[in-house]
Amino acid sequence: ETGVTQSPTHLIKTRGQQVTLRCSSQSGHNTVSWYQQALGQGPQFIFQYYREEENGRGNFPPRFSGLQFPNYSSELNVNALELDDSALYLCASSWTSTLSGANVLTFGAGSRLTVL
Amino acid sequence: AQSVTQPDIHITVSEGASLELRCNYSYGATPYLFWYVQSPGQGLQLLLKYFSGDTLVQGIKGFEAEFKRSQSSFNLRKPSVHWSDAAEYFCAVGVSVMTTDSWGKFQFGAGTQVVVTP
Repeated sequence: ETGVTQSPTHLIKTRGQQVTLRCSSQSGHNTVSWYQQALGQGPQFIFQYYREEENGRGNFPPRFSGLQFPNYSSELNVNALELDDSALYLCASSWTSTLSGANVLTFGAGSRLTVL
Repeated sequence: AQSVTQPDIHITVSEGASLELRCNYSYGATPYLFWYVQSPGQGLQLLLKYFSGDTLVQGIKGFEAEFKRSQSSFNLRKPSVHWSDAAEYFCAVGVSVMTTDSWGKFQFGAGTQVVVTP
């Protein structure tokens, strides 16, 4: 089975620009979550996508947005980049059903964004 | 809202010695608990998880963790560390998909950096 893949691995942007990060979920998974990991910190939940809709959001402004596609892959878009957006962005996929049960997240290697 | 505290930012241990990483959580219901490991430049790899049942759980790479409800703790242990165990370790608490709040959201601790010396 293929794992979670993210692209690009590294990128540099300047303040005010926009960025799109991409994620392919692990085969068999239908849910994608995005996390921001600033240097020296634990990952912070941005949002989750299930059935192509946003399903839960952390404390991030609306300029952070996303998409999930029918093949369960996902994009994270960040508009009007700020210096503090510099971080490792982690995508995680999981299986969600309408029955009760906890998710186990499978993470990709991340996209390292530097904002200058 | 749930929270996770990892009191030790940095731990240095000799190869072959035992290792224990502390994790305390705050959550109103029965938590789902996880330990992940992150090597430099890598994503997070699941070491082990606790959902219910036996409070001592075994994971990969010889790690184990014990859930203690009375202490709100989920400490990670390894009897004998290897140089390859040098990495950052994250404790996380997740919620059931049936919870309306934070469905599938994980709360991570700030991490513990483990350095292994010869």
